[in-house]
Amino acid sequence: AQSVTQLDSHVSVSEGTPVLLRCNYSSSYSPSLFWYVQHPNKGLQLLLKYTSAATLVKGINGFEAEFKKSETSFHLTKPSAHMSDAAEYFCVVSDTGNNRKLIWGLGTSLAVNP
Amino acid sequence: NAGVTQTPKFQVLKTGQSMTLQCAQDMNHEYMSWYRQDPGMGLRLIHYSVGAGITDQGEVPNGYNVSRSTTEDFPLRLLSAAPSQTSVYFCASSYQGQGRTEAFFGQGTRLTVV
Repeated sequence: AQSVTQLDSHVSVSEGTPVLLRCNYSSSYSPSLFWYVQHPNKGLQLLLKYTSAATLVKGINGFEAEFKKSETSFHLTKPSAHMSDAAEYFCVVSDTGNNRKLIWGLGTSLAVNP
Repeated sequence: NAGVTQTPKFQVLKTGQSMTLQCAQDMNHEYMSWYRQDPGMGLRLIHYSVGAGITDQGEVPNGYNVSRSTTEDFPLRLLSAAPSQTSVYFCASSYQGQGRTEAFFGQGTRLTVV
């Protein structure tokens, strides 16, 4: 069965310091992987996606993630945090089988301190 | 393009009342789904549809009905609302066929059942 584990429920960083949000997945198929962001009282927005092309994926707002099959990980990073990055981040896996359902992690709440 | 449109944005119901949450997309996506989001639980799939006339249950279908008479619309019905259905509901659509699913989300409906 497919699953996603976000290793940290809360992450707090200072503005200007690097961001690392960790995600491990389990999948029986060749997975597609996504990171979505949700700002307070807002909908969900796609940050980036991995679909079996380059393993280092660049997304919006300076975020990127690296697909590591050997570690079954898809960690999200950003070199320098901005106050506007404070939000909830979700790691998601979608398999090509099983009607392409999305399997969601429980989310990581990112706080950015001035 | 409007993308995915959900109505209403906010709703308060009394226990036992019924209502329909509307969802429409203008991207000609075949795959549509409904999620509920509760604190600490991420997004959970309620029902989904892989095309007009085809629906199936997700992770938490009890208390909800759906239908898909057209490609564009995918309403979610609560037949007899319960306080446990207090949640934020998101509708999503995605393109089926590429096998690499990116979901587009509506802005959400915040439902309170008293």
